[in-house]
Amino acid sequence: DGGITQSPKYLFRKEGQNVTLSCEQNLNHDAMYWYRQDPGQGLRLIYYSQIVNDFQKGDIAEGYSVSREKKESFPLTVTSAQKNPTAFYLCASKAGFGVEQFFGPGTRLTVL
Amino acid sequence: AQSVTQPDIHITVSEGASLELRCNYSYGATPYLFWYVQSPGQGLQLLLKYFSGDTLVQGIKGFEAEFKRSQSSFNLRKPSVHWSDAAEYFCAAVPTGTASKLTFGTGTRLQVTL
Repeated sequence: DGGITQSPKYLFRKEGQNVTLSCEQNLNHDAMYWYRQDPGQGLRLIYYSQIVNDFQKGDIAEGYSVSREKKESFPLTVTSAQKNPTAFYLCASKAGFGVEQFFGPGTRLTVL
Repeated sequence: AQSVTQPDIHITVSEGASLELRCNYSYGATPYLFWYVQSPGQGLQLLLKYFSGDTLVQGIKGFEAEFKRSQSSFNLRKPSVHWSDAAEYFCAAVPTGTASKLTFGTGTRLQVTL
């Protein structure tokens, strides 16, 4: 089945630790995105990548980092510099000339 | 600034009743428009999209949406709601003909009473 996988579904970390969230897609999509979702705030874009080895900051990139070494993978690292990292994180992808984005199931990160 | 507004944070309807969720956009030109649905703890699923042409768009799960240029609106409707429709619904937009990022509304949570 083609789709987007995010792992793990639930993640717990201690304050001050970096943590990496996984996002993999087998849709052969060129573009990939990371969103953060908080109650009542909709989805906010963290980073996006339109091609391998290139990525751009979104609206709330501070405290986050990404890499795009392979077309199918776009991991997100939540660093200790992120002031309030507890949230639901969603990964999405889009075909090169397409418009609609397809979403993964999400990872809920809780920092204790 | 480009924006998407969903005026209703929370809506409750009875099962079998009709539903309309509101979405307004503020863009210089008509953008591409989308409705997504999210069940608790899950990712987003695309319900329907509007690019151009017929202003009444049919989607999955019996949903439809009507684009009204004069009102800058793209409201989602369903004639008869089922209990399984309880979820959060997001309207989103992206400028036409660009690779720009999606802008999402803040969402409307739908509760269905039996």
